[in-house]
Amino acid sequence: SQQGEEDPQALSIQEGENATMNCSYKTSINNLQWYRQNSGRGLVHLILIRSNEREKHSGRLRVTLDTSKKSSSLLITASRAADTASYFCATVRGNDMRFGAGTRLTVKP
Amino acid sequence: DSGVTQTPKHLITATGQRVTLRCSPRSGDLSVYWYQQSLDQGLQFLIQYYNGEERAKGNILERFSAQQFPDLHSELNLSSLELGDSALYFCASSLDRGRPNTGELFFGEGSRLTVL
Repeated sequence: SQQGEEDPQALSIQEGENATMNCSYKTSINNLQWYRQNSGRGLVHLILIRSNEREKHSGRLRVTLDTSKKSSSLLITASRAADTASYFCATVRGNDMRFGAGTRLTVKP
Repeated sequence: DSGVTQTPKHLITATGQRVTLRCSPRSGDLSVYWYQQSLDQGLQFLIQYYNGEERAKGNILERFSAQQFPDLHSELNLSSLELGDSALYFCASSLDRGRPNTGELFFGEGSRLTVL
C-alpha cells in the first residue's frame, strides 16, 4: 500500500546521541514528509523531501530518500530531552497523503 | 500555533449519540483534511475537502459524514456512536491551489471524543 511503515516502533536513547528512524512504503510517491507529535497534541511538519531528491537537511534533522528501495530515514543528531515525541512519515501520491503508525522516541536526560 | 482551530477540545457522550466536530482552517487554506487517531495508533485518513467539494475519501464509516462550507470551515458529523469511535480527531489544512497536494499540512490540536 502507499501507507508508510515506520521502524522501529519505539526507540530509547540518551541525550546527545543520534536517533535514526526509518520509513518504508510500497508504491510510487510524489513526496515524503516527516511529522512530529508530542503526546496528545497536533502533528507538526518537520521536513518534506520530493521524489527526485535524495537528501535534505534542516537544523539537526537529516532526511534521506531511496526511491529504488522505497524507503526513507530521519536522523536527529545530538538529541535532546525535548525531542521526546512520536515521529510519523507521510507519503504523498497525487492528492492522497497517508501516515504510518509512527516511531515513539524517548530521549533520556 | 498552527492557525487551525478545532472545537470542542474534549467531548464525552454515550453510545448511539451523534456529535459534530468543527474545524476552522488557516486563513487562505482551501483544503481541509480529517484524520482519526485511536490510542497509540497512527493517523487514519478519513476525508479531504477542497474549496467546498469532496476531493478524496479514506476509511470513513458510513455513520460519519463531513462537509466544507463556503467560508471554508468544515464539520465532521459522527452518528450512532460506538465505543470504538473513541479517539482523537484531527483536522488539518493546506494551501493546495488546485494542484495535487505536495505541501505540508497544518494540524489543529484535535478533538478528543470519548464514547461511554
